[in-house]
Amino acid sequence: SQQGEEDPQALSIQEGENATMNCSYKTSINNLQWYRQNSGRGLVHLILIRSNEREKHSGRLRVTLDTSKKSSSLLITASRAADTASYFCATALIQGAQKLVFGQGTRLTINP
Amino acid sequence: ETGVTQSPTHLIKTRGQQVTLRCSSQSGHNTVSWYQQALGQGPQFIFQYYREEENGRGNFPPRFSGLQFPNYSSELNVNALELDDSALYLCASSLGQGVRGTPLHFGNGTRLTVT
Repeated sequence: SQQGEEDPQALSIQEGENATMNCSYKTSINNLQWYRQNSGRGLVHLILIRSNEREKHSGRLRVTLDTSKKSSSLLITASRAADTASYFCATALIQGAQKLVFGQGTRLTINP
Repeated sequence: ETGVTQSPTHLIKTRGQQVTLRCSSQSGHNTVSWYQQALGQGPQFIFQYYREEENGRGNFPPRFSGLQFPNYSSELNVNALELDDSALYLCASSLGQGVRGTPLHFGNGTRLTVT
């Protein structure tokens, strides 16, 4: 079963708007990571947030982590057409340190 | 800096056949992980290799096996292919075992179709 669940499964917005994606998970984590995947290609790492951190920024990206609710959100500000992709959250568990457990992803479409 | 490269990019096999997928890790990385991504799903962990030894395995049957070579490149072998093995196979490299401190660097994957 998937550890992470993203919400929404699909999101379509106009260029320039902000996009927010949410991720929930079930068991305690060491860190949570967000990745982007353009159609049919490999995943690109966006940002890593550790379990003792609450918020992190990278350029137009803002990630929050609430370990009490076992949830995270990814905000992309001032979206661009090039942001069109699938976005995945992935958790590194405290046990089983060798793997990342991915959610099913959010498909983001930016309309020009 | 050379990124992660995978070969071939696409492959079509028949049920029951065997397949070998290859991965060259990013320079300086000593750990390789393999993931299977079915259409419309997130990647699922198959196994990880660190210093030529298997260092963790997901819920995949023994017909999924792998190797890591002294130059840290890696192979994924799948025997007795089944239709459900059709997927994008992703290789990812990192520095050091585990995923606690470092992100994974992914290749563009091999698209395997089993007919």
